[in-house]
Amino acid sequence: QKEVEQDPGPLSVPEGAIVSLNCTYSNSAFQYFMWYRQYSRKGPELLMYTYSSGNKEDGRFTAQVDKSSKYISLFIRDSQPSDSATYLCAMTYTGKLIFGQGTTLQVKP
Amino acid sequence: EAQVTQNPRYLITVTGKKLTVTCSQNMNHEYMSWYRQDPGLGLRQIYYSMNVEVTDKGDVPEGYKVSRKEKRNFPLILESPSPNQTSLYFCASSPAGGAYEQYFGPGTRLTVT
Repeated sequence: QKEVEQDPGPLSVPEGAIVSLNCTYSNSAFQYFMWYRQYSRKGPELLMYTYSSGNKEDGRFTAQVDKSSKYISLFIRDSQPSDSATYLCAMTYTGKLIFGQGTTLQVKP
Repeated sequence: EAQVTQNPRYLITVTGKKLTVTCSQNMNHEYMSWYRQDPGLGLRQIYYSMNVEVTDKGDVPEGYKVSRKEKRNFPLILESPSPNQTSLYFCASSPAGGAYEQYFGPGTRLTVT
């Protein structure tokens, strides 16, 4: 069993839709939870990171962590075609960083 | 401009020929790390360095070496590359004491024939 599980998709939504991306994990030692966005042929770009359970909002993006269920989510409101990318969840303890496989999102105009 | 740079960006080499991929950051970050990205396997950590005195293995360190002699540089060394090391490699750095705010370089695409 992988430490971090993420549905690779692809996920296709119409412009303006609310997008929900999710990851589950098995290691209780994970302390920080992150979401990265990666465009084709580019390096991952950090969107948000959270430490505790609960919600964190940044513009159209909301990250949610439920440590009791070992489940994290990223919500994208009013999705735009420019949001089309691969979204990677990642988790860390000490210096190690473990990524999910990434979900490919396409937002259609 | 604050950034992580990698060189070369593209490299084609032959089995067994030693190579080094350089990584440099100009943000005075303590933490640096290397990853490889492969289709179906995602991003996997090779090595990381919490600071110039501490370097440790990630999930896939076999066949790689690293060196952290100064804060800004963290080269990745392949002493005897093999075809299974053909991959897209990313270097990253973080200002914090851990791995949770990492900024990635543009990537190095390596092909070993």
